[in-house]
Amino acid sequence: QVLLVQSGAEVKKPGAAVKVSCTASGYSFTTYYMQWVRQAPGQGLEWMGMINPTGGSSNYAHKFQGRVTMTRDASTRTVYMELRNLRSDDTAVYYCARGAPGPGPPAYWGQGTLVTVSS
Amino acid sequence: QSVLTQPPSASGTPGQRVTISCSGSRSNIGGNTVNWYQQLPGTAPKLLIYSNNQRPSGVPDRFSGSKSGTSASLAISGIQPEDEADYYCATWDDSLNGPVFGGGTKLTVL
Repeated sequence: QVLLVQSGAEVKKPGAAVKVSCTASGYSFTTYYMQWVRQAPGQGLEWMGMINPTGGSSNYAHKFQGRVTMTRDASTRTVYMELRNLRSDDTAVYYCARGAPGPGPPAYWGQGTLVTVSS
Repeated sequence: QSVLTQPPSASGTPGQRVTISCSGSRSNIGGNTVNWYQQLPGTAPKLLIYSNNQRPSGVPDRFSGSKSGTSASLAISGIQPEDEADYYCATWDDSLNGPVFGGGTKLTVL
């Protein structure tokens, strides 16, 4: 079965960077884009961007361009999301999520990684 | 503000039928299929409906989805206490070149 396992919770200071990992199993890693979605406390779901595990190309939501980088390591079936210059309003649960082979919303979700930004 | 519009809340008593709406535009719902997710407190979203009206294996058949034009709906027939959760719609947006989500609907089972 499809399984996405994310790294553990992080506490960061404003201005720092965080890098969250997501290791996939149970399917062909290079066939499906991996997306990143975040959810601030008590809020809805916000798409951050996605990466093509085959070539590593990525597409970021306008809001995060310049602050986010998504990478992958096909040998370990792991994708990474780095968010820089953290602010308090970046405090959220960050999810990796796998979609369909083509354009579309996610189907399978990781368990989430809580990132807390606090001085 | 979310690209897709959902009512913030819905409620019903056990056994009732509840419907949750999701409104979009031609660039998203109008040209693409819709997913629905259920999110229980403290957990990740779970796929409930895909491709407008398809249920993944294991999802009870009391959950159903539909789409017409630029709107979609999730219906829950015979709601149960364990259905109390947040529900989100999502689809692809051709203008944004990425998925978009509704703001979520909190279902309360009275």
